[in-house]
Order: sequence, then C-alpha cells, then structure tokens
Amino acid sequence: GAVVSQHPSRVICKSGTSVKIECRSLDFQATTMFWYRQFPKQSLMLMATSNEGSKATYEQGVEKDKFLINHASLTLSTLTVTSAHPEDSSFYICSARALTPDRDTQYFGPGTRLTVL
Amino acid sequence: EDKVVQSPLSLVVHEGDTVTLNCSYEVTNFRSLLWYKQEKKAPTFLFMLTSSGIEKKSGRLSSILDKKELSSILNITATQTGDSAIYLCAVEGTGGFKTIFGAGTRLFVKA
Repeated sequence: GAVVSQHPSRVICKSGTSVKIECRSLDFQATTMFWYRQFPKQSLMLMATSNEGSKATYEQGVEKDKFLINHASLTLSTLTVTSAHPEDSSFYICSARALTPDRDTQYFGPGTRLTVL
Repeated sequence: EDKVVQSPLSLVVHEGDTVTLNCSYEVTNFRSLLWYKQEKKAPTFLFMLTSSGIEKKSGRLSSILDKKELSSILNITATQTGDSAIYLCAVEGTGGFKTIFGAGTRLFVKA
C-alpha cells in the first residue's frame, strides 16, 4: 500500500526555536496533504490543507504565521513550527491524498512527537 | 515494524444493512486502539479500546478489541446514509508515545 513518511519522528527543542517537520509520499504523487495535531487521548485537529504549488488553507484558530506550511512538490510538504513554546508540544500527523481515476484515499504518516522545553 | 491494517478498503451497502469493519495491528507496547469517523475534515472520535473482550457501544455503533488476535472490529447496525464516511483505526503504543493510523475503510451507504 501507499506509504507516507514523516521526519523526524521525535524532536525535543528549546522554547523559542523553530522546528521543521517533513511529510513525504513515497510511492505516489499527492496533490493534497493535510496536517493534523493530535491532542492527548483522543481527538485529531485538522490544522491546514496543503495543495501543491499553492498556499495552504488554514483552519480557524490556527495561526498561519506560527505554523508555516510549504508544499513544494507532489511528494513533499513541510510544517515549520516557528518560535515554538511548551504549549506547542504535541503529536503532529500528516496525511497525503492519493487520487486516481478509481480511488480517492488518504494515507497517514507515522506522526512526529514534538516536545518543547 | 509497527503497522495498522484495515479491511475492507471500501464498502458499499444499502440502508438498513449491518457492516463490520476490521482493524489488525502490530505495535510495540500496545496501549490503546482508537476508532474515528472522518466525513469532511478532521476525524471525529468514536471509541477508545484498551481491554480485550469488552464491547463499547454508542447507538448503532459498537466495537470490541481482541488483544490475542491483535485486532478490533467496528460494527454498524441498521446503516443510514449519514454513516457514509471513512472509518479510521489507530493504535497507540507506549514506546515513543506513537499513534499509528490505518488507511481507513471508506463506507458508502446507498439510500
């Protein structure tokens, strides 16, 4: 099946630094990638939808200047958490949409655990 | 390698049918299994399962975990068109606090 990778899988950083997370679709072209943040225990929150070659669409309440998203190619999207603070500590998950004539499927990456000290 | 596999990948049924969605997993230090329903945007939480053999129910939906078989099922009885969605299974492991998602099952309920 289709594979989506994320790098790094875990990152620990100091408050005030910026962290970049990469999301790659390894064996298919993804015109659309999604970035989620998982809150403790249960819910996933969609942060933004990223379309290749255009600006990301951010969900209400998500600061676009803080969470910079770039979708430079059909296989790579990046999320940069700028000036990270402890409250940004979370599990960030990307997914990539594979769209073929007979199928529309979303594949999730393994996630990135961010800890801001 | 940790992984979550869902089946079937897609399913088309008629209103009133009962469906069973499957999720199998391999994960280091299993902590919990979660089911989500995704319609448009972010998946919405359905169930969290931690103990084997205990069924969780919410209306027409129910789910049970089998730790021996490393699997879970999600049942939907008397399906309605509003049940049409992608159902995601995710497994949490204690090692690295990682959550692994399956590819999902796309359910379409015809009127």
